[in-house]
Amino acid sequence: AQRVTQPEKLLSVFKGAPVELKCNYSYSGSPELFWYVQYSRQRLQLLLRHISRESIKGFTADLNKGETSFHLKKPFAQEEDSAMYYCALSGLAGNMLTFGGGTRLMVKP
Amino acid sequence: EPEVTQTPSHQVTQMGQEVILRCVPISNHLYFYWYRQILGQKVEFLVSFYNNEISEKSEIFDDQFSVERPDGSNFTLKIRSTKLEDSAMYFCASRGGVADTQYFGPGTRLTVL
Repeated sequence: AQRVTQPEKLLSVFKGAPVELKCNYSYSGSPELFWYVQYSRQRLQLLLRHISRESIKGFTADLNKGETSFHLKKPFAQEEDSAMYYCALSGLAGNMLTFGGGTRLMVKP
Repeated sequence: EPEVTQTPSHQVTQMGQEVILRCVPISNHLYFYWYRQILGQKVEFLVSFYNNEISEKSEIFDDQFSVERPDGSNFTLKIRSTKLEDSAMYFCASRGGVADTQYFGPGTRLTVL
């Protein structure tokens, strides 16, 4: 069975502080990992996926297969980063997504 | 930029009634999905659909649920006899194109009274 765990329901930081949103997964094969973001009153949007190895809006995430983690990081948080962040896993390319419970990031001025 | 659309945005129904939730996927996408999120809980996969048939479904997707692509554009989720516990946000997603990732609609909030 595949599972995604986001241990923090809420993360509150000040503007300019570093941010790390944690994500751990369990899957027996080689998963594809994603981060989705949901801004207030908007739809779920793909933020980044591990195979792209790119930085979006200053966020990066590295897949650590040894620790089965895919933590999302940003060195300097901005107020507009305040949103719900969901880590998700796909067992096979393009198949169903298994989501974590989400972490609400609040960036205070 | 093309987007997945869903109607209605909010549906209120009585327990035992049938509801149909509608989705218009992005036009060149071939894979379609329904997810739901009960208030305060995780987003959960319900079903995926490809080539006019179900390709995967979860345990939640029992005989009360069905999906259909009645024409070239709409993708519908039907719940035959709603229960109180069906109250949730229902998200449609489609996948395809160069990025080959799932794009989500804004959701339909279903309230069963």
